[in-house]
Order: sequence, then C-alpha cells, then structure tokens
Amino acid sequence: GDSVTQMEGPVTLSEEAFLTINCTYTATGYPSLFWYVQYPGEGLQLLLKATKADDKGSNKGFEATYRKETTSFHLEKGSVQVSDSAVYFCALSGLSGNTPLVFGKGTRLSVIA
Amino acid sequence: DGGITQSPKYLFRKEGQNVTLSCEQNLNHDAMYWYRQDPGQGLRLIYYSQIVNDFQKGDIAEGYSVSREKKESFPLTVTSAQKNPTAFYLCASRGMTGPNQPQHFGDGTRLSIL
Repeated sequence: GDSVTQMEGPVTLSEEAFLTINCTYTATGYPSLFWYVQYPGEGLQLLLKATKADDKGSNKGFEATYRKETTSFHLEKGSVQVSDSAVYFCALSGLSGNTPLVFGKGTRLSVIA
Repeated sequence: DGGITQSPKYLFRKEGQNVTLSCEQNLNHDAMYWYRQDPGQGLRLIYYSQIVNDFQKGDIAEGYSVSREKKESFPLTVTSAQKNPTAFYLCASRGMTGPNQPQHFGDGTRLSIL
C-alpha cells in the first residue's frame, strides 16, 4: 500500500540555519503531496502542497519540490526562526482521493536563538 | 470563517465512563476523520466517514464508536472498553472533489483519565 517515510527527529538548529526535512513516498501512480505543521497543543495546519511532478509548493519561506524520479518531497527553508519550532508531517493522497491521507510519523524541529 | 470546531478542549474521564468528543465543520466537506495522537507520536486513524450515515474503521477502532447523522457533525465516543484513552484527539475534514484536496484539522481535544 501507499506509505510515507520521513527523517527521524528531533532536529535542532540555530536561528538562521538552513533546514531540510527529508520525505520519500511509495505510491501507485502520481499522488498529491502535502506538508503539514503542528505547533504545540494545536491541530495540524496545511503548510504547502504539490499535485504533479516537478511542482514546487511554497509558503512562509518553506519550499518542497515534487520529484517523481526519486519519489521525494523534501521540505526546505533557507533561514529558520525560533517561531518555526514545531512538528512537521509529510503526507500523500492516493489517486482516487477517496481514502484518508497517508501521513509520515512527523519530524520535530527545535530552533534555538 | 469556515473551519472545524472541536469541543471540549480538555476532557476528563472516570473509570468505566463513556465520553463523547464533538466535531463540527462548516466547510461543506463530505469526508470527516478522527485521529489519535500520543505524546511524541504520529497520527493514528480511528474512524472515517465519506458520506452521511456511513463510516469505516481505521487502524485503531477498538474501544471507540462514531456516528454521522449530519454532514456537519462527526462525534467520537470513547467507551469504557478503551483501556488507555489518554491522548490528544484530532478531527479532520476533506472535500471529495479530487486527490489534490487537503485535509483540514480542528484544534484537538486532550483527554485524560481521572
């Protein structure tokens, strides 16, 4: 079945460092791909998405490119801030859209000043 | 503003008691979902519903029940059969117009044992 694998956390970075959180997937065909962010004590918020190969999703300085050849959707940000400390989830949607999103296990990011 | 409302934010359960978590959405979404999240863990799917009066078990349905009598509402009951209910519960909804639709989440209910 479909699956998502994220890099293990926690990830600890200094403010203004470059961030990469790896995400790879296994799926039939070309799924839609999503990144969500969860701040402490809150629900998940959609951060960005990409719906076809070579699409780049971007929001709030975060970017991710849908790479079909490597089945990857890595999240990047050029300069992290303390306020980016959160848990990040990668997810995919199957072709039909009739089943729940498949989520990775999440990666906790801590940014220190 | 459209969104998903979960209530209460905090809930306490006594031994042998059933408790019901509320989830309401005004996004006109067909599909709704319940997830459980334990500290430092990912999401585990409890139940989901794609249409009124129909729902399917997720990965950890035992000890939980749901109903979907209205499109806007998808309450979750944590029964006394669920021996370890302490967790953060998240409700989500999704439009069913295609695979590029994201799931939208509520702010969660934190359930604890008294």
